[in-house]
Amino acid sequence: QSVLTQPPSASGTPGQRVTISCSGSSSNIGSNPVNWYQQLPGTAPKLLIYSSNQRPSGVPDRFSGSKSGTSASLVISGLQSEDEADYYCAAWDDKQRVVFGGGTKLTVL
Amino acid sequence: QVQVVESGGGVVQPGTSLRLSCAAPGLTFTNYGMHWVRQAPGKGLEWVAVIWYDGSKKYYADSVKGRFAISRDDSKNTLYLQMNSLRVEDTAVYYCARDGYSGTPGDFDYWGQGTLVTVSS
Repeated sequence: QSVLTQPPSASGTPGQRVTISCSGSSSNIGSNPVNWYQQLPGTAPKLLIYSSNQRPSGVPDRFSGSKSGTSASLVISGLQSEDEADYYCAAWDDKQRVVFGGGTKLTVL
Repeated sequence: QVQVVESGGGVVQPGTSLRLSCAAPGLTFTNYGMHWVRQAPGKGLEWVAVIWYDGSKKYYADSVKGRFAISRDDSKNTLYLQMNSLRVEDTAVYYCARDGYSGTPGDFDYWGQGTLVTVSS
């Protein structure tokens, strides 16, 4: 059972906008920034969003993040076939640990 | 392209020990927090441990506390994970990851390719 809660799956057609949610508590998302990772099949995770809404260099602006209270969201606009992957949210928890969501498998129909 | 390379994985029996290493020629670990994250086959990501940028603090997931030890040698730009009393449920791909720039642990800007640890009798 993951500390952060994500939907196990999401889907969309090319060009659509998809939102993946991440719910936590006051000890993690409520008091620390959220990070999002993309994991393509058979590869290591890649940082997609950090500090809740910042994109590392090289990440397309189709990816955006936001946070409100104890929840966060990842939005993918203009969905592309290469976006098909697993997505994880993560945050530092005041119990001195990093906590992850269970992951969301995104399917591009 | 900077490469982060973990090594030391393998197949071991329950109750035994293993030491993982993580090195990255061309990428500095100095002044950055470093973590181990694992992923059991077909499962999600699980954080394992962190060592502060200066080695002053170390924290562990409850599932490995008392059995695993994280350490670093900045002179060799290398991170370690000593794993003792291994259990079947420790079977996973183990990744090392470097904290990024945000100042809060968990924004891993560099990851290794992972090393597989299989614990089986």
